[in-house]
Amino acid sequence: DTEVTQTPKHLVMGMTNKKSLKCEQHMGHRAMYWYKQKAKKPPELMFVYSYEKLSINESVPSRFSPECPNSSLLNLHLHALQPEDSALYLCASSQSPGQGAEVYGYTFGSGTRLTVV
Amino acid sequence: GQNIDQPTEMTATEGAIVQINCTYQTSGFNGLFWYQQHAGEAPTFLSYNVLDGLEEKGRFSSFLSRSKGYSYLLLKELQMKDSASYLCAVRDNAGKSTFGDGTTLTVKP
Repeated sequence: DTEVTQTPKHLVMGMTNKKSLKCEQHMGHRAMYWYKQKAKKPPELMFVYSYEKLSINESVPSRFSPECPNSSLLNLHLHALQPEDSALYLCASSQSPGQGAEVYGYTFGSGTRLTVV
Repeated sequence: GQNIDQPTEMTATEGAIVQINCTYQTSGFNGLFWYQQHAGEAPTFLSYNVLDGLEEKGRFSSFLSRSKGYSYLLLKELQMKDSASYLCAVRDNAGKSTFGDGTTLTVKP
């Protein structure tokens, strides 16, 4: 299995809702990432998990809450979002640095397109 | 912090060769990646450079000069399916990768 699977593919939520985005990989990668991408813009890093521990939080608002239950799963819990949070949310994984990340780069999931109304 | 510059748009003809440049400034360089992203799809990994020189993978090659803070992606024998956005990403010593704004390549018949 060489894929990163994200669910759901599309999500529409109100500003008072609570929802979760899910990401799964079975490549044995020990680093997982959440990126946010607005239309015609590059992906922007939100969070990095390395060996199931949060290693980078790019000053993301607390209405986004990441969780890494195990080495294969990564969740992003959403609560009280704003319309400007509408974007494509990409999950990615890689071998941890020193274990091949340099060769294979990141493997991205196909993303969850989120619309906040 | 990191600052990455790429041209916004490029146009080339099917069968031709195109070079997409990327210049960067970073406080701690630990590798440069090139990704391809078709509209509405996730980025896909193309190449990685950490040492100076040219890396070749089929129709795609990537070059790096660390002293100049410069890289390019070379695409040969262009095909219509190569029309996409090409993203340069620089990784720092903390393992964080920052993407440039991307270059939209249009391949014409």
